[in-house]
Amino acid sequence: DTAVSQTPKYLVTQMGNDKSIKCEQNLGHDTMYWYKQDSKKFLKIMFSYNNKELIINETVPNRFSPKSPDKAHLNLHINSLELGDSAVYFCASSQDRTDSNQPQHFGDGTRLSIL
Amino acid sequence: DAKTTQPPSMDCAEGRAANLPCNHSTISGNEYVYWYRQIHSQGPQYIIHGLKNNETNEMASLIITEDRKSSTLILPHATLRDTAVYYCIVSSGGSNYKLTFGKGTLLTVNP
Repeated sequence: DTAVSQTPKYLVTQMGNDKSIKCEQNLGHDTMYWYKQDSKKFLKIMFSYNNKELIINETVPNRFSPKSPDKAHLNLHINSLELGDSAVYFCASSQDRTDSNQPQHFGDGTRLSIL
Repeated sequence: DAKTTQPPSMDCAEGRAANLPCNHSTISGNEYVYWYRQIHSQGPQYIIHGLKNNETNEMASLIITEDRKSSTLILPHATLRDTAVYYCIVSSGGSNYKLTFGKGTLLTVNP
């Protein structure tokens, strides 16, 4: 009954490759997010989608392209991987409610290592 | 979003209350105070949030000062499993809000 699930949990690949990380939430939420946690443990938002529409894009390189086939899924595709992309990527979701502030629920992360 | 200041680390004895402070002196009127924690190798976990009033749930209590410039997260009976990095975040909330994580406080609960 995992709420926010990410696959794969670990991803080791060569520099220059293209890879995708998948995220699915079964909470019925309208909004999904991608965060990046670097080696210094700082967690920063990358994107957010609301009902398949891009809402937040925090000046992430064009090599990163989120795709939301439906509101329960938000996948992250990364082209031409670089050493600096090594990090833990977290997916999150929240309910879109204008009358209250709903918390974000996070997945357990995908640990990406670039060789 | 307003910036927050937290001590880098704290210790607490198992079974005692853990009181984690947070300063957010530049908070604006429509901004909420959120608390999340991250246990090693896991994703951040929501704990509690509030606007003006003190809040309590099954995990913790949140005490917000009257001027809203600081707050304290209270874990009433800390256990070893509460060892984690605790993040105090100020955000306007609403739909599609982003969480800006700082360095947080590493709380170590000792037996």
